[in-house]
Amino acid sequence: AQSVTQLGSHVSVSEGALVLLRCNYSSSVPPYLFWYVQYPNQGLQLLLKYTSAATLVKGINGFEAEFKKSETSFHLTKPSAHMSDAAEYFCAVSDLNFGNEKLTFGTGTRLTIIP
Amino acid sequence: KAGVTQTPRYLIKTRGQQVTLSCSPISGHRSVSWYQQTPGQGLQFLFEYFSETQRNKGNFPGRFSGRQFSNSRSEMNVSTLELGDSALYLCASSFGTSNTGELFFGEGSRLTVL
Repeated sequence: AQSVTQLGSHVSVSEGALVLLRCNYSSSVPPYLFWYVQYPNQGLQLLLKYTSAATLVKGINGFEAEFKKSETSFHLTKPSAHMSDAAEYFCAVSDLNFGNEKLTFGTGTRLTIIP
Repeated sequence: KAGVTQTPRYLIKTRGQQVTLSCSPISGHRSVSWYQQTPGQGLQFLFEYFSETQRNKGNFPGRFSGRQFSNSRSEMNVSTLELGDSALYLCASSFGTSNTGELFFGEGSRLTVL
């Protein structure tokens, strides 16, 4: 079964600094990969998704992620953090194997922005 | 276009009771997935329904069950509640199956078991 590992359950960055949230997946076959964001007291919303069309994926709110097959990674970045980016971020991988098709989420990374 | 609606938003139950949570998906969406969210565990997949059929089920005991109606609305039921069932239960809908497309999440039902 597919799995994702998010390194760092809590990340703090200063406003205006680079945001880097790490995600590694387990599959040897390029799957579908997603980043979702959850703001306080809300459900999750999709930031971006990788479906093999391009290795660099641009999402909403200035976020982007790069798929690196050699490193089995799909890290999320944003050049300049904004206070409104404070939220919890989840990486997810899609399992396409017959009988086990589902989306599997990582345990999440809580991003704090320091003024 | 209305989003995913979950009811109730908050509820408190005692051990041994049972609970039913409801989810109304976005109009036209045929898939409804349920997740349990707890601190440190992230989102744990419960089950997915597509056109009234359960497509897949996570590793939860049989106390957790669900169903989907012909209008795509879904309910999940937890019987004989335990303290460890306290969590945020999230419902998500999608037009196609959940593993191929974008999921639209509701705000969740927060269950507290005393």
